[in-house]
Amino acid sequence: AQSVAQPEDQVNVAEGNPLTVKCTYSVSGNPYLFWYVQYPNRGLQFLLKYITGDNLVKGSYGFEAEFNKSQTSFHLKKPSALVSDSALYFCAVRDESGYSTLTFGKGTMLLVSP
Amino acid sequence: DVKVTQSSRYLVKRTGEKVFLECVQDMDHENMFWYRQDPGLGLRLIYFSYDVKMKEKGDIPEGYSVSREKKERFSLILESASTNQTSMYLCASSPIGRGGTEAFFGQGTRLTVV
Repeated sequence: AQSVAQPEDQVNVAEGNPLTVKCTYSVSGNPYLFWYVQYPNRGLQFLLKYITGDNLVKGSYGFEAEFNKSQTSFHLKKPSALVSDSALYFCAVRDESGYSTLTFGKGTMLLVSP
Repeated sequence: DVKVTQSSRYLVKRTGEKVFLECVQDMDHENMFWYRQDPGLGLRLIYFSYDVKMKEKGDIPEGYSVSREKKERFSLILESASTNQTSMYLCASSPIGRGGTEAFFGQGTRLTVV
């Protein structure tokens, strides 16, 4: 069975500082990995994904994520946080068959202070 | 612009009522999903469908059923609503057999059962 762990319920960072939101995964075979963001009372918005190729993936709003196969991790990063980045972030995994469902982590609340 | 549309943003229903949550997508996707989101628990899969009239149970199907009579529409049914079904419900769609393609989400329906 596939699974995702987001070890931090909340991450606090000051505006202008770099941010990292952690994610580790477990899946059979090669993974497809995704990050989504959710603003209050809204659905999930896609940020970025890893399928294959470069371990550093760039996505929307200046976010990037680093895939590390040996550590089974896919941490979300941004060099300089904005107050508007404050939101709930979800990591998700799917196996490479294309026929499995997406499995989500429990989410990490990111709070960026002015 | 691709779109997944859920029929209601907010719903208040009484205990014992039969509740229908509707979801429509315009991307001709084969897969459609219903998730439930609760604080601290992340997104949990209720049901999914990979074709018209096909359905598969997810992780928490008890108390729910689904209907998919047309490719673009996937309905979630609460047969007899209970207070523990108060939650945020999210619908999503994705193409089949292309695991690297992200799922697209609706804006969510916040259901309160009183």
